[in-house]
Amino acid sequence: EAGVVQSPRYKIIEKKQPVAFWCNPISGHNTLYWYRQNLGQGPELLIRYENEEAVDDSQLPKDRFSAERLKGVDSTLKIQPAELGDSAVYLCASSSGRRSYNEQFFGPGTRLTVL
Amino acid sequence: AQKVTQAQTEISVVEKEDVTLDCVYETRDTTYYLFWYKQPPSGELVFLIRRNSFDEQNEISGRYSWNFQKSTSSFNFTITASQVVDSAVYFCALSENYGGSQGNLIFGKGTKLSVKP
Repeated sequence: EAGVVQSPRYKIIEKKQPVAFWCNPISGHNTLYWYRQNLGQGPELLIRYENEEAVDDSQLPKDRFSAERLKGVDSTLKIQPAELGDSAVYLCASSSGRRSYNEQFFGPGTRLTVL
Repeated sequence: AQKVTQAQTEISVVEKEDVTLDCVYETRDTTYYLFWYKQPPSGELVFLIRRNSFDEQNEISGRYSWNFQKSTSSFNFTITASQVVDSAVYFCALSENYGGSQGNLIFGKGTKLSVKP
């Protein structure tokens, strides 16, 4: 069974440029998460989807970040415009449900460098 | 407040040594789940174990063992006879159990383990 797929793996952009990350979750997983992981820190949740609905986006900086999950499968996370402080690894995860016991499966992440 | 603390930032051991990674958590929930994930240099977090708050039995899986003590809010992870392949960053995480945040993971800052040959 294929795991969570993310692309690109690495992205280098200049500040004020837009950037987008793509995630394909494990087949059949209705719950999808986007996390940001700063250097030397644990992942922090940005947004959680149940199917195509964003059910928790309280930590998403909405002035520059946006996300979508069309048809409840793939998801895209966008930053526009990027700032220096956005340099981090962006992780996508999926699970079969939103219960507290559900294991989350993570993708390899996209490492973003903003110059 | 929900919080996970991993006080050890980095640990370095020599192969075959035993090593324990500490995790202390804070939660207002009476029912909750705790997790350990491994993050090798490739970057992908790998699930290791899940434990619910009502099950305080220690668990052993090969060279890995986990000690959950509700009285001290700790969920420590021990690797016996460490190997170079164990080198990674290890994260402890707490899963929220109620309301709109149910299922969200709160991670500690991680402990970087280096096992030298």
